[in-house]
Amino acid sequence: DGGITQSPKYLFRKEGQNVTLSCEQNLNHDAMYWYRQDPGQGLRLIYYSQIVNDFQKGDIAEGYSVSREKKESFPLTVTSAQKNPTAFYLCASTRRAGAAVTEAFFGQGTRLTVV
Amino acid sequence: DAKTTQPPSMDCAEGRAANLPCNHSTISGNEYVYWYRQIHSQGPQYIIHGLKNNETNEMASLIITEDRKSSTLILPHATLRDTAVYYCIVRVANAGGTSYGKLTFGQGTILTVHP
Repeated sequence: DGGITQSPKYLFRKEGQNVTLSCEQNLNHDAMYWYRQDPGQGLRLIYYSQIVNDFQKGDIAEGYSVSREKKESFPLTVTSAQKNPTAFYLCASTRRAGAAVTEAFFGQGTRLTVV
Repeated sequence: DAKTTQPPSMDCAEGRAANLPCNHSTISGNEYVYWYRQIHSQGPQYIIHGLKNNETNEMASLIITEDRKSSTLILPHATLRDTAVYYCIVRVANAGGTSYGKLTFGQGTILTVHP
């Protein structure tokens, strides 16, 4: 079955360490996104990528980095520069629209805790 | 993408219709209205979308006002499993340039379905 997979589901990191969250999709979608969600809050966009080897900053990109070397993969690195990294991270993808309307597919999320 | 406004919370009795409103007064002509929901600690799930006509699928109905400045998501017979946060977003379906693919979520409405 096609879908979008995030791993791991739970991740613990020591303060000051970088950590990379995985996001893989087999939907042949062109666009991929990373969101952060804090308790009781909505989703805030960190980075998004419209196509391979291209990505743009979202609303809260500071302290994060991404790469898009393959269409299927959009890993997010939470760097030590991110002051408050403990959060629920969600990855999503959409098909390049053309003339069609597309919905976003989301992964099940990675809960990152800094200890 | 146009900004949306939703009530922070709503209650509904099991078996009754749940009507969730959304204001999007700055929506432009080529922006669609999308609805997603998020059950606790899971990724958001697509529900329905529309441009100007009312839409219905197996999950819900979407009513969009004639001026397109607001919409209502209707869950015709709410169940306990419909308890979730419901997000209304507006988005250009196939724009080029920097607006493509940027999905922006607001705070959403917490719907609680009571027995």
